[in-house]
Amino acid sequence: EAQVTQNPRYLITVTGKKLTVTCSQNMNHEYMSWYRQDPGLGLRQIYYSMNVEVTDKGDVPEGYKVSRKEKRNFPLILESPSPNQTSLYFCASSLIYRFDGGHETQYFGPGTRLLVL
Amino acid sequence: KNQVEQSPQSLIILEGKNCTLQCNYTVSPFSNLRWYKQDTGRGPVSLTIMTFSENTKSNGRYTATLDADTKQSSLHITASQLSDSASYICVVSALGGNNRLAFGKGNQVVVIP
Repeated sequence: EAQVTQNPRYLITVTGKKLTVTCSQNMNHEYMSWYRQDPGLGLRQIYYSMNVEVTDKGDVPEGYKVSRKEKRNFPLILESPSPNQTSLYFCASSLIYRFDGGHETQYFGPGTRLLVL
Repeated sequence: KNQVEQSPQSLIILEGKNCTLQCNYTVSPFSNLRWYKQDTGRGPVSLTIMTFSENTKSNGRYTATLDADTKQSSLHITASQLSDSASYICVVSALGGNNRLAFGKGNQVVVIP
């Protein structure tokens, strides 16, 4: 089954304790992205990757790191989490280019709900 | 300023009634526009996609329209069901790739019996 998986689904941690949220897709998609979703703010992009070893900042990258060593995996790293990073996080993947260069449909993971105390 | 604006922010409708959601965008040059449905606590799922040359697209009881001249899109839900309660997100992609995606904040729809 084609899907994007995230782990863990729920996480409670304390300020400053490093954590990693994993994301994996089995559709051979080049493009992967991380979003956070907060009430009233909609989905905001944290980081994205156009392909292996190619990553770039989105709209809200502060406090986050990513890596793309393999095509299928795109982990999100919080080196020193703070309470303002409490949020619902989504990973997504897609093929990049339609015939005109636009994005293909993104497939989203089930989400990771993070609480930083 | 957000490049994609959605209205109304939220609405409540009776089961069986119709409703229309609006999306206005300023993204240019335009490639395609998608509507996603997001159930509470779950990831968004694509409903429809429209390119510049398409002005209507249906997916079951969901019908999306696009006016590329006025840069407006709408999503019409016919004969609403309780399972339609969700957030509907408008996403616009620009030509040329390279991560040129713009997200609306969503329309929150609540269907009541």
